[in-house]
Amino acid sequence: EVQLVESGGDLVQPGGSLRLSCAASGFTISNYWMHWVRQAPGKGLVWVSRINSDGSSISYAASVKGRFTISRDSAKNTLYLNMNSLRAEDTAVYYCARHVIDDSGSKFDPWGQGTLVTVSS
Amino acid sequence: DIVMTQSPDSLAVSLGERATINCKSSQSILYSSNNKNYLAWYQQKPGQPPKLLIYWASTRESGVPDRFSGSGSGTDFTLTISSLQAADVAIYYCQQFYSIPYTFGQGTKLEIK
Repeated sequence: EVQLVESGGDLVQPGGSLRLSCAASGFTISNYWMHWVRQAPGKGLVWVSRINSDGSSISYAASVKGRFTISRDSAKNTLYLNMNSLRAEDTAVYYCARHVIDDSGSKFDPWGQGTLVTVSS
Repeated sequence: DIVMTQSPDSLAVSLGERATINCKSSQSILYSSNNKNYLAWYQQKPGQPPKLLIYWASTRESGVPDRFSGSGSGTDFTLTISSLQAADVAIYYCQQFYSIPYTFGQGTKLEIK
């Protein structure tokens, strides 16, 4: 079964750091583009970051650029999001998602269940 | 960035009736090279991650009931639920894959009237 499981969410003070993990099973993450998407409490979905299949291309939303770093460990089949200089507005559930791009379509599937990051003093 | 605007923000429909949600992009998301619209629709229920319903604007994901359909091209898109069921109460989002950042619409909350 293709599955993504996030972990690492926590309560952190403003200015602090956190590392989120997204463990994949049923597929190899280095064969796909992988993304992070976040959702603040009661709000909509916001794309955060992407790493392409060979790791040569990385993109970030303007709101997190310079503070967040996406990476992956192919041996562990795990995606990461390192988050520094955290702000209250970074409070959200963070989802990882696999980006399927082929002749059948372009889509985020599956999504993980999400991990909650709360930035507060 | 491409801005995705959904309408309405909320919608109440009677069971068995049709529900229609619109999504408009600030620029065309139709790739001329393959004539595909890079748009997806998701359903999200409370406490759950988004679930893919439709991709390429009109292709239903495997396992999604056929009462869900997508249409449109260029900048204007529609998600239609032909006969609303209680299980369809959720928030629906559109998302463009034309260019990064892959922006989402603000969501449409669908309720039972």
